[in-house]
Amino acid sequence: QVQLQESGPGLVKPSGTLSLTCAVSGGSISSSNWWSWVRQPPGKGLEWIGEIFHSGSTNCNPSLKSRVTILVDKSKNQFSLKLSSVTAADTAVYYCARESSGSYNYWGQGTLVTVSS
Amino acid sequence: QLVLTQSPSASASLGASVKLTCALSSGHSSYAIAWLQQQPEKGPRYLMKLNSDGSHTKGDGIPDRFSGSSSGAERYLTISSLQSEDEADYYCQTWGTGIRVFGGGTKLTVL
Repeated sequence: QVQLQESGPGLVKPSGTLSLTCAVSGGSISSSNWWSWVRQPPGKGLEWIGEIFHSGSTNCNPSLKSRVTILVDKSKNQFSLKLSSVTAADTAVYYCARESSGSYNYWGQGTLVTVSS
Repeated sequence: QLVLTQSPSASASLGASVKLTCALSSGHSSYAIAWLQQQPEKGPRYLMKLNSDGSHTKGDGIPDRFSGSSSGAERYLTISSLQSEDEADYYCQTWGTGIRVFGGGTKLTVL
């Protein structure tokens, strides 16, 4: 059973950089799946941020692309997200998820990141 | 542009059935989708992948009460014998080349 666990600071200052890591267990990050970041602002719906393949190839939501960096660390079986120039609008629960044949069949429990001074 | 449209809310009585709809944008009627359930204060849970022909593959442990069907550009999730724990937000999700899209979600209330 694949398990994903997000980790990172729960509070980020405005204009700073949000940094999160997703540790993968029960499966290899080098499998034929895309590894994604999804977020959910309080009381709102799900928003796709972007994804990475173990080769390092990435795809990102066009609305966030200029601020997003997604990296993979195969030695640690994990991947990461950096979102720069954050504002209060970036306050959300951030999830990591594994794609399989297009759909997300494994999700992390999510981590709340608040942008505030 | 690839867009998924869902009604914001739905309601049905305990023990009854409900059919939720996810509509694909024009030109995308052949796309498969996935249905996700998000119970209050929890993360999303994968329910099934639903193809344009109505065939579907459910996630591990998903009860038989959950089923999917398709008609044209619409994808449906039917929940029968509604239970209190089915009260949740339901999202559809699809994908294209280099892009993933979520619907706005439907909040299901079990009366």
